[in-house]
Amino acid sequence: GQQVQQSPASLVLQEGENAELQCNFSSTATQLQWFYQSPGGSLVSLLSNPSGTKHTGRLTSTTVTKERRSSLHISSSQTTDSGTYLCAIVGNYAQGLTFGLGTRVSVFP
Amino acid sequence: EAAVTQSPRNKVAVTGGKVTLSCNQTNNHNNMYWYRQDTGHGLRLIHYSYGAGSTEKGDIPDGYKASRPSQENFSLILELATPSQTSVYFCASGDSRNSYEQYFGPGTRLTVL
Repeated sequence: GQQVQQSPASLVLQEGENAELQCNFSSTATQLQWFYQSPGGSLVSLLSNPSGTKHTGRLTSTTVTKERRSSLHISSSQTTDSGTYLCAIVGNYAQGLTFGLGTRVSVFP
Repeated sequence: EAAVTQSPRNKVAVTGGKVTLSCNQTNNHNNMYWYRQDTGHGLRLIHYSYGAGSTEKGDIPDGYKASRPSQENFSLILELATPSQTSVYFCASGDSRNSYEQYFGPGTRLTVL
């Protein structure tokens, strides 16, 4: 089945630093989403980016479909960015997402 | 306003008991999904639905049933709960009009004793 691998598993940042999170997947993705999971557990969709580059706020995602990889760049990190970032793909439209295990980000002042 | 809601938010059940987790969405999406999240496994798909009256098996359907009585509601049913089903359960919705992006509810923490 599909597999999604994320790296690094964890990341420690000082406030203001930038970060780059990686997502590699084993098969063609017709949809790719990046999620933020708060320490309290809620899941928030950050970006939908099956190909190309997309921006929202301080986040930039770049997906290279042929190479089966995506990245999420966080610029000027803030303590409120602390949490887990999840990458998920859909192989066939309308079917469920396959998730990676996430990157845990900790931002200290 | 929250577009995907789940109830209950927390539940303690006994082994062998029946548990029903409910999900409601106001996004008017055709598709709905149930996932569970466990340490070391991440989020995994249990069941999903293409619309009222339909249910499909996901990656880990054993021990679970699903029901989609309407566009808005999707339930996950544990007929005979076991301790291995202790987990956090998430419901989501999505469809072709938003390129199948999925939007998640707040989760239900289930403990089976």
